[in-house]
Amino acid sequence: GQNIDQPTEMTATEGAIVQINCTYQTSGFNGLFWYQQHAGEAPTFLSYNVLDGLEEKGRLSSFLSRSKGYSYLLLKELQMKDSASYLCAIMDSNYQLIWGAGTKLIIKP
Amino acid sequence: EAQVTQNPRYLITVTGKKLTVTCSQNMNHEYMSWYRQDPGLGLRQIYYSMNVEVTDKGDVPEGYKVSRKEKRNFPLILESPSPNQTSLYFCASSSPTPGTPQSAPYEQYFGPGTRLTVT
Repeated sequence: GQNIDQPTEMTATEGAIVQINCTYQTSGFNGLFWYQQHAGEAPTFLSYNVLDGLEEKGRLSSFLSRSKGYSYLLLKELQMKDSASYLCAIMDSNYQLIWGAGTKLIIKP
Repeated sequence: EAQVTQNPRYLITVTGKKLTVTCSQNMNHEYMSWYRQDPGLGLRQIYYSMNVEVTDKGDVPEGYKVSRKEKRNFPLILESPSPNQTSLYFCASSSPTPGTPQSAPYEQYFGPGTRLTVT
């Protein structure tokens, strides 16, 4: 079957670095997405990986290893506004999106 | 302004009373999708559409209907709502993924959400 795993909750300190992991087993692979969702709001797009390796965009980096079924989102220089849920989603061979349950990130001063 | 709109934002209804949640996008996107979000379960796809008159079931289509008669609109219909359909619903539209079919999802733009309560 299809499965995506993310930690339920993580805590980090303002100014630090946090890595949020996502592991998956899906029928085919056409890319992996990361979205951010603040409480009570709609998700917003962060990144897309389809090839192995690291994609960097400002304070944010996303890594993919297709052979290991593994991705992570790295957030540097954490700010209080980064407190949110982070959603990992896989696009399978039929271009259907399968979503993880999300990781709630709590930033402490 | 590029946006996805949903209406209503909040709805309380009773079991069995048909309802429609509208969704409209002004970005000329081919791909549109409906999700429900429940605590601890994350986003679950209800239906998606890769083009006008083309709709496909997602993970949890039971009890829902959709239609895509024109590119900008993708309404969600609950013919006979039940309490287990109480949830937060999001509509989304998407620009195409680079290097894939034009209508495959990429950066999705979500509507503000519709909080539905069925009593």
